[in-house]
Amino acid sequence: AQTVTQSQPEMSVQEAETVTLSCTYDTSESNYYLFWYKQPPSRQMILVIRQEAYKQQNATENRFSVNFQKAAKSFSLKISDSQLGDTAMYFCAFMKHVVSSGSARQLTFGSGTQLTVLP
Amino acid sequence: EPEVTQTPSHQVTQMGQEVILRCVPISNHLYFYWYRQILGQKVEFLVSFYNNEISEKSEIFDDQFSVERPDGSNFTLKIRSTKLEDSAMYFCASSDPAGKRLEQYFGPGTRLTVT
Repeated sequence: AQTVTQSQPEMSVQEAETVTLSCTYDTSESNYYLFWYKQPPSRQMILVIRQEAYKQQNATENRFSVNFQKAAKSFSLKISDSQLGDTAMYFCAFMKHVVSSGSARQLTFGSGTQLTVLP
Repeated sequence: EPEVTQTPSHQVTQMGQEVILRCVPISNHLYFYWYRQILGQKVEFLVSFYNNEISEKSEIFDDQFSVERPDGSNFTLKIRSTKLEDSAMYFCASSDPAGKRLEQYFGPGTRLTVT
């Protein structure tokens, strides 16, 4: 079974500054996918960024980037130039790779980090 | 942009009653999921569904739960006899059959309150 750990329940950052959210995971799988989801006060889960474990290059999406350290099983999210709209709960999630094309794939989530961007 | 929708947004029910939570996945998606989030806790996987059958289910998804795709658009989660501990936010998600099956698109959730 996979586990995902987010050790920072709450964080805050000043607008325009950079913040890094931590995530570690445990798995015996060699091929898998990692995600960061954002849950604003509206409660809708929104995909922020994803990383394939077989790719060495860290994923980036505009102001969001990850630091993926496969050996350390670490997957942190960096938010640059923080904006007030980034205030949300951020969840790290794991999905194992399944070969069978008919298999749907469950996400395993961490407990989340509440990020507050301060004006 | 297409999105996953869920109804109702909030459901209040008495313990022991049956509830049906409804979801309309994105139209060309073929993989469907239910997750739940008890207030203040992490999001937990319940069940996944593909080709009109359950592909995976968690330990939480016991005999009190069932899922159905009654027509070409809806995907439902039924709880037969609700318990107080079923109070949670329930999220439906769907994913694309071709190429981007990795990305699950979530609905806004249904808040279930069992009294």
